[in-house]
Amino acid sequence: GAGVSQSPSNKVTEKGKDVELRCDPISGHTALYWYRQRLGQGLEFLIYFQGNSAPDKSGLPSDRFSAERTGESVSTLTIQRTQQEDSAVYLCASSLSSGSYNEQFFGPGTRLTVL
Amino acid sequence: AQSVTQPDIHITVSEGASLELRCNYSYGATPYLFWYVQSPGQGLQLLLKYFSGDTLVQGIKGFEAEFKRSQSSFNLRKPSVHWSDAAEYFCAVEHNNDMRFGAGTRLTVKP
Repeated sequence: GAGVSQSPSNKVTEKGKDVELRCDPISGHTALYWYRQRLGQGLEFLIYFQGNSAPDKSGLPSDRFSAERTGESVSTLTIQRTQQEDSAVYLCASSLSSGSYNEQFFGPGTRLTVL
Repeated sequence: AQSVTQPDIHITVSEGASLELRCNYSYGATPYLFWYVQSPGQGLQLLLKYFSGDTLVQGIKGFEAEFKRSQSSFNLRKPSVHWSDAAEYFCAVEHNNDMRFGAGTRLTVKP
């Protein structure tokens, strides 16, 4: 597609349930990033993938969070045993490669609400 | 680690008035600096970026930003605001693929 897409756009779940969020990057983009945006706050880096290298997981807030990416395609962010503090907008971005010289293109985000 | 502060949570300006959104960063060296805009229901869009060289950078939609090392600032400006500029604006600093965003400034434009 023309841009980064994310699904679902909205997700409401009950505390304790697992959720999966999907990101489809721009075709040909080797780098993919996940961010979390809590209400009234800036974006919080979670994880990034660069090609077939081991992902940088340094931003994941707990072991309930995990992400996968197969090659240079779709990525899935999984949150296990969701908590109310996980409620946020989860943004995905992709770029031609990692590094500042390549602009990150953002998807519209998935709004997660944990009841 | 680097950090970004946007002192103004919400700013209201009249259409046609000038705009300045403040951004201060904390980092030991000269970082890479960015301004993004997020319109309602839209993803973030890059307005402009600073890597090196000329400290006044021009971006899209008539925006510009000036890097001031002495003040650790990278303020965003626009001489005449349009109603379509109403959005959330984020300043960001990046080093070694670690990008940190400010909390954002919400811009409201009055008719």
